[in-house]
Amino acid sequence: QVQLQESGPGLVKPSQTLSLTCTVSGGSMSTGYYYWSWIRQPAGKGLEWVGRIYTSGSANYNPSLKSRVSISMDTSKNQFSLKLNSVTAADTAMYFCARINSGTTSDYFDYWGQGILVTVSS
Amino acid sequence: DIQVTQSPSSLSASVGDRVTITCRASQSIRTYLNWYQQKPGKAPILLIHGASTLQSGVPSRFGGSGSGTDFTLTITNLQPEDFATYYCQHNYSPLMYIFGQGTKLEIK
Repeated sequence: QVQLQESGPGLVKPSQTLSLTCTVSGGSMSTGYYYWSWIRQPAGKGLEWVGRIYTSGSANYNPSLKSRVSISMDTSKNQFSLKLNSVTAADTAMYFCARINSGTTSDYFDYWGQGILVTVSS
Repeated sequence: DIQVTQSPSSLSASVGDRVTITCRASQSIRTYLNWYQQKPGKAPILLIHGASTLQSGVPSRFGGSGSGTDFTLTITNLQPEDFATYYCQHNYSPLMYIFGQGTKLEIK
């Protein structure tokens, strides 16, 4: 059973960089045709896709965040990471990591971490 | 990007009821549509993928249908644990994943 766990600071100052790591257990990130993704959710609001990375290291990002976001991976540790720079209060949200399964008719998020709340405040 | 609009945004129902939630796409997304359930403070759970394929382990009272622009999630014989928020999601737009705004299902 694949499990994902987010980790990182829960509080980030405005204009600084938000850095989170997702650790994957129960299977190697390098096997299978999966993407690894970040999604965020402000309190009381809906879900917003942040970006994804493939095992090749190729990454794609939500255009609304593209200038500020990067996702990387360390297959030796079975981890992938999110960096979001120049944060503001609008980046305060629950951040989830998830696995994307590329099905024949759609890509879907089949495994999720429990989420980590990140607050941007001085 | 192709947007998806869920309706209703909230609804009230009783245990044992049958409910339907709709997701409408701004243009055809074939069957590239998935459904998730989210409870407060928890991560979403995948219910349906490819518009109608029930994810392994999900109770059979959940069902999905539709193609093109109109999709439905149907829950029959509502159980107390089904009261949650439901989201649709598609990835038909290249290199983008779009979620609906959510439908909150509450106990009547």
